Amino acid sequence: AQTVTQSQPEMSVQEAETVTLSCTYDTSESNYYLFWYKQPPSRQMILVIRQEAYKQQNATENRFSVNFQKAAKSFSLKISDSQLGDTAMYFCAFIKSRGSSGDKLTFGTGTRLAVRP
Amino acid sequence: NAGVTQTPKFQVLKTGQSMTLQCAQDMNHNSMYWYRQDPGMGLRLIYYSASEGTTDKGEVPNGYNVSRLNKREFSLRLESAAPSQTSVYFCASSESWGEGIGSPLHFGNGTRLTVT
Repeated sequence: AQTVTQSQPEMSVQEAETVTLSCTYDTSESNYYLFWYKQPPSRQMILVIRQEAYKQQNATENRFSVNFQKAAKSFSLKISDSQLGDTAMYFCAFIKSRGSSGDKLTFGTGTRLAVRP
Repeated sequence: NAGVTQTPKFQVLKTGQSMTLQCAQDMNHNSMYWYRQDPGMGLRLIYYSASEGTTDKGEVPNGYNVSRLNKREFSLRLESAAPSQTSVYFCASSESWGEGIGSPLHFGNGTRLTVT
């Protein structure tokens, strides 16, 4: 079974600075997908970024980028030029590439990020 | 484009009461899911429907039932609510399941359920 671990329950960053959220996972699969989702106070779940394990290049999406270390099973999210609107809970998630009927998206427990003005 | 619509947004039940959470998506997605979110536990899968006409248990199915009414709609039923089912429930959909695409999930806005 896959597990996803987010070891930082809460983090804080000054507006305009950079912050990195950590995520590690455990799997025996060779190919899979990793995601970061954002949940602002509105409760809506928003996809931030997606990474395919067989792609060595780290995914980027505007101010959001990942540091994907496949051998270390690490998938951290870097937020540059933090904005007040980035204040949210962030979830890391994992899914196998070639699924069977028992596959599902596995989530970490989340990191609550507060951006200070 | 509405995406994934859940109703109701809030609900309070007494122990033993029943209710159905409704979910509909307008993105022509094949797969639909029900998750619950509890503090410190992330999101846990209750049931999913890989395609119209099929449903399967997820990680925490006890106390719940589901119906995939058609391609658009996927409902979650609590037959006899218990305080342990107090949670925020999310419906989600994705383009496909287990196809090697890694389709991201699109979520509804959640239902906050309190069972007293």
